Amino acid sequence: DGGITQSPKYLFRKEGQNVTLSCEQNLNHDAMYWYRQDPGQGLRLIYYSQIVNDFQKGDIAEGYSVSREKKESFPLTVTSAQKNPTAFYLCASSIGQGAVEQYFGPGTRLTVT
Amino acid sequence: GENVEQHPSTLSVQEGDSAVIKCTYSDSASNYFPWYKQELGKRPQLIIDIRSNVGEKKDQRIAVTLNKTAKHFSLHITETQPEDSAVYFCAAFSSNTGKLIFGQGTTLQVKP
Repeated sequence: DGGITQSPKYLFRKEGQNVTLSCEQNLNHDAMYWYRQDPGQGLRLIYYSQIVNDFQKGDIAEGYSVSREKKESFPLTVTSAQKNPTAFYLCASSIGQGAVEQYFGPGTRLTVT
Repeated sequence: GENVEQHPSTLSVQEGDSAVIKCTYSDSASNYFPWYKQELGKRPQLIIDIRSNVGEKKDQRIAVTLNKTAKHFSLHITETQPEDSAVYFCAAFSSNTGKLIFGQGTTLQVKP
């Protein structure tokens, strides 16, 4: 383990509040990703970034926002516009954005009530 | 859009038996197919991958086969052990979209 970290492991928020999930990597990877994992649905791509100061929407970007100001960091904000935010969120990174291995962080379980 | 279907959703085998998980993909531009294992409460980790120019790849008790014509690929685990119990995800990377699309996952239970 190590290399890519997420914090906190568990996060609780009230409905209507924005919340930011942290993702940091020291692997010197250019590309970073955010996935959402729900039971029985696999991993779905929220946002990804190929390089600093650039990012693209994934398949389920509505209600989320990201920034990539540093190579090592790719925080995800879950906004109040996300209709069903309770989920397990996984961050990943890869050496480049392409057909290469993605390394995952330990995940953050977000519960919104 | 691109899609990856994975079957079965759950699989229970006796220790020592083989397990097979199958995936189909829709995007013909897919050229990289990794398999990830996720133990309970832990992060997904790559266990094996295959590229479109190869039909089969083996690593000890794990093998993956790819049929590009039929657009399906499979994970084979032989001589299963209780520590193989986990959720397994297949995925397909499309050179068209630049995205890795995951299957829904298979929960494998190996009974001692």
